[in-house]
Amino acid sequence: DGGITQSPKYLFRKEGQNVTLSCEQNLNHDAMYWYRQDPGQGLRLIYYSQIVNDFQKGDIAEGYSVSREKKESFPLTVTSAQKNPTAFYLCASSMTGAFANYGYTFGSGTRLTVV
Amino acid sequence: QQQVKQSPQSLIVQKGGISIINCAYENTAFDYFPWYQQFPGKGPALLIAIRPDVSEKKEGRFTISFNKSAKQFSLHIMDSQPGDSATYFCAASKAIYNQGGKLIFGQGTELSVKP
Repeated sequence: DGGITQSPKYLFRKEGQNVTLSCEQNLNHDAMYWYRQDPGQGLRLIYYSQIVNDFQKGDIAEGYSVSREKKESFPLTVTSAQKNPTAFYLCASSMTGAFANYGYTFGSGTRLTVV
Repeated sequence: QQQVKQSPQSLIVQKGGISIINCAYENTAFDYFPWYQQFPGKGPALLIAIRPDVSEKKEGRFTISFNKSAKQFSLHIMDSQPGDSATYFCAASKAIYNQGGKLIFGQGTELSVKP
């Protein structure tokens, strides 16, 4: 079955530690996105990529980094510079070009907690 | 210009009632308006979507009403059921060829349907 796989489902980070969240898709989508979700604040865009080896900052990119070395993969690193990383992180993908408006497919999310 | 404003933030409806969630946008270039449904601990899933060339779209108990002149669109859930209890997000995007349809999300509405 085609879809997006996020791992791990739960992740605990110590103060000052970098952690990487995995996102893999087998939908052959060109575009991938990372969102952060906090209670009552909706979905906030962290980074997005519309083609391999290229990505753009979203609204809240500070303290995060990404890479897009393969079409299928778009990992997100939460660095120690992110002072309040506890949140639910969602990865999504979509088609581009003439099929751009077919909507996003989301993964099941990773819940990150600082301990 | 890029915002999508969603209301109410939370909604309680009795079983069998009608749930109504409203969204307003400013950018007249938006041409795709989806609604997503999210259950706790899961990623959002596309529920229904509309383009501005029609004023209404119905899929089962879910209907989108679209008012282009007022720049508003709404989700109606008829005969609401406890299983509809979830968070609902509206969104909007504009198609730019080869640049993807980056969605702008509303803040979300937490719907609770009481038995």
